[in-house]
Amino acid sequence: NAGVTQTPKFQVLKTGQSMTLQCAQDMNHEYMSWYRQDPGMGLRLIHYSVGAGITDQGEVPNGYNVSRSTTEDFPLRLLSAAPSQTSVYFCASSSPGQGAWGSHEQYFGPGTRLTVT
Amino acid sequence: DQQVKQNSPSLSVQEGRISILNCDYTNSMFDYFLWYKKYPAEGPTFLISISSIKDKNEDGRFTVFLNKSAKHLSLHIVPSQPGDSAVYFCAATAFYNQGGKLIFGQGTELSVKP
Repeated sequence: NAGVTQTPKFQVLKTGQSMTLQCAQDMNHEYMSWYRQDPGMGLRLIHYSVGAGITDQGEVPNGYNVSRSTTEDFPLRLLSAAPSQTSVYFCASSSPGQGAWGSHEQYFGPGTRLTVT
Repeated sequence: DQQVKQNSPSLSVQEGRISILNCDYTNSMFDYFLWYKKYPAEGPTFLISISSIKDKNEDGRFTVFLNKSAKHLSLHIVPSQPGDSAVYFCAATAFYNQGGKLIFGQGTELSVKP
């Protein structure tokens, strides 16, 4: 299993450009999430999905769009990049586990480092 | 409004000693807590978790303690090893979220010196 894969690893954009960060998982996980990591801010949830066709906003959704047409893929779209979106982006996936609390353990990809100039 | 807070950005300990990383939360709906470890240029990896029905969970050298009345949890690493040097994030969620929505703290960078 490749686990969670993210492409590209690095990207430089100019202000106003659009792009899509790709995320794929081969573990048949129902849940997928996007986070951004910024110094002093930790990991902040952007959008998440509990299954194909179902997405919801996280803590910092503005400026980002997502869709989930398949179980495996969860792309993150930047519609009009801004310098404030310079960050490291992580995709994660997880699956409901056994027991009352299930499993909240998420598996993370290696990240995409994005710079917006 | 930071719902999960790690107030110590960094911690330095000697090899073989105990490392104690702290985390506070404000949302009383949180009932499941996790710790993740992150090395530079890699994604975070799951370390240990605890549900609100417990006050302690142990896995080898790692123990997580939960004090619900104080809304505080801590991660103890005993004995600390140089390979434990990394950034540690605590995360919280509520039962009904079932894994789709974790709220993370800011992280604490642990340095274990030989």
